[in-house]
Amino acid sequence: DSGVTQTPKHLITATGQRVTLRCSPRSGDLSVYWYQQSLDQGLQFLIQYYNGEERAKGNILERFSAQQFPDLHSELNLSSLELGDSALYFCASSVFPGVADTQYFGPGTRLTVL
Amino acid sequence: GQNIDQPTEMTATEGAIVQINCTYQTSGFNGLFWYQQHAGEAPTFLSYNVLDGLEEKGRFSSFLSRSKGYSYLLLKELQMKDSASYLCAVSNSNYQLIWGAGTKLIIKP
Repeated sequence: DSGVTQTPKHLITATGQRVTLRCSPRSGDLSVYWYQQSLDQGLQFLIQYYNGEERAKGNILERFSAQQFPDLHSELNLSSLELGDSALYFCASSVFPGVADTQYFGPGTRLTVL
Repeated sequence: GQNIDQPTEMTATEGAIVQINCTYQTSGFNGLFWYQQHAGEAPTFLSYNVLDGLEEKGRFSSFLSRSKGYSYLLLKELQMKDSASYLCAVSNSNYQLIWGAGTKLIIKP
């Protein structure tokens, strides 16, 4: 158990809908990362927050948005869902972006868009 | 551009040794990470190298050569539970992790 929690574990929805994924980082971690992993694909970095502020952006679609709240939990919002958005979405957290800063991953949310 | 190269798939026999290579080209270097990921599960941290040389941790060892932009993960006394994907990731000058696509390791009895 990494100490990172994600809810829900599974989500099934229809095309065109909007969903929100939630992540709580490990105690003491200030940085949160979101990743997308489609079936048999590598990890695609979406976005990073540090202490409530956006720090880095990866291949995140305009239909997707995220934020980190004052209590450091984070939410990833996915809208106008398409079939291709079906994937595992991981959240990771770390203490501070710097040397030897290790990311610890939550169990993921499996999103299925029908 | 920045990229990480690792073999897509490798096969090894239970009880044997396997070496998974990773080469990288990134803007700056602040360390290299190896993660293990079982199918459908979260990646778990295995090792971190920032200086040249070999780091040993039980059955797993990780090697780094910064001058060659090269690392490998060595797994000894392979067990069936080692069947997983192994992800190489490099921290660049902005402390952003650049991820490889992963190497799927298949262990045969």
